[in-house]
Amino acid sequence: GAVVSQHPSRVICKSGTSVKIECRSLDFQATTMFWYRQFPKKSLMLMATSNEGSKATYEQGVEKDKFLINHASLTLSTLTVTSAHPEDSSFYICSATVSSGRDGYQETQYFGPGTRLLVL
Amino acid sequence: LAKTTQPISMDSYEGQEVNITCSHNNIATNDYITWYQQFPSQGPRFIIQGYKTKVTNEVASLFIPADRKSSTLSLPRVSLSDTAVYYCLVVRYNQGGKLIFGQGTELSVKP
Repeated sequence: GAVVSQHPSRVICKSGTSVKIECRSLDFQATTMFWYRQFPKKSLMLMATSNEGSKATYEQGVEKDKFLINHASLTLSTLTVTSAHPEDSSFYICSATVSSGRDGYQETQYFGPGTRLLVL
Repeated sequence: LAKTTQPISMDSYEGQEVNITCSHNNIATNDYITWYQQFPSQGPRFIIQGYKTKVTNEVASLFIPADRKSSTLSLPRVSLSDTAVYYCLVVRYNQGGKLIFGQGTELSVKP
């Protein structure tokens, strides 16, 4: 399957600082990537859709000025948590879409390993 | 997108076949079904996807009846390492594969 990496795997930062998380598709190009966050014992929550060369589309309730997304190339999307606060502490996961021609036109998302953010 | 409903948790024993059923009553004709597995502190891993009837790969089978209002993920001969959360999702064609996650099924495999 397609491989998606994330960096860093975990980060600890002080309140008020900004943190950048990178998501890379290693062996394929992805015009579309997604960003999720997940709290302990909870399901994944979609934050935004990242499209290469255009502005990200944010889900309702997600502050676009708080969570800056840049998809500058077909293999890299970045999520920057600006002025992080303790309530931003979470597990952030990205994914990238691979299109398949089997059984019609299907798009499969492959996920990165996640980034654990702890804001002190 | 159609909402999915699946059991919150299931228990099984090593070597047994596990079937997890998901209902998606409002699935549309341009939707397909996909399943993911997630271990703690890891990103979800793609298992299988399909549109109708039966799909099989090296790790699982997916059964979808003719009305497509439900689907069943079948895991043959589970092992302790299959203990994880399993998510059933409905995906709309040509939307970049956008996924909206529900609660998932927490499968616990015991020795």
